[in-house]
Amino acid sequence: QVQLVESGGGLVKPGGSLRLSCAASGFTFSDFYMSWIRQVPGKGLEWISFISNNGNTIDYADSMKGRFTISRDNSKNSLYLEMNSLRVEDTAVYYCARMRYRNFPYWGQGTLVTVSS
Amino acid sequence: QSALTQPASVSGSPGQSITISCTGTKSDIGNYNYVSWYQQHPGAAPKLIISEVSNRPSGVSDRFSGSKSGNTASLTISGLQAEDEADYYCSSYRSSGTLYVFGTGTKVTVL
Repeated sequence: QVQLVESGGGLVKPGGSLRLSCAASGFTFSDFYMSWIRQVPGKGLEWISFISNNGNTIDYADSMKGRFTISRDNSKNSLYLEMNSLRVEDTAVYYCARMRYRNFPYWGQGTLVTVSS
Repeated sequence: QSALTQPASVSGSPGQSITISCTGTKSDIGNYNYVSWYQQHPGAAPKLIISEVSNRPSGVSDRFSGSKSGNTASLTISGLQAEDEADYYCSSYRSSGTLYVFGTGTKVTVL
């Protein structure tokens, strides 16, 4: 079955960087667009970015452009999110999600990123 | 980016029907049929329950139904059950700027 497992979250100081990973299994990873979505604890969902199946098409939420970079390695069935210049307000659970027809049918369990001094 | 607008909370008794609204603009809900709904229980990841306005993925109860009129989408839960108590989020594709936007979320309480 489809499985998405995020990792790489943790505590980081403001201004720091972090790289999240998402390991995919149970499907042909290279066939699907993927997204990162985050959720501040107790708050709503916020879409961050998507990447096409071959990595040639990428887009970001306006508020994330310039600080976050999405990438993928289809040979490793893995999705990544590089986050720089982190702010306290970036504290959230970060989910990776498989996309289909502009929906998000499959989600990982999420990884918590805490930005604090 | 501006989130889609949902009521903060909706409640109902077991067996009743409730409807959650999701209001956007002509740049998102009003112009595309890419509206989806997600159910999220505490501590869990969101689960897709409605796609493309009214399609139910395999395995989702037919008590969940979706519709759209103009710039507003709606999720109806009929025959409300205790297990339906959760947070619900709508989402839409939009034509420019931030491509995907979520709703503010609605907490459903089963009385």
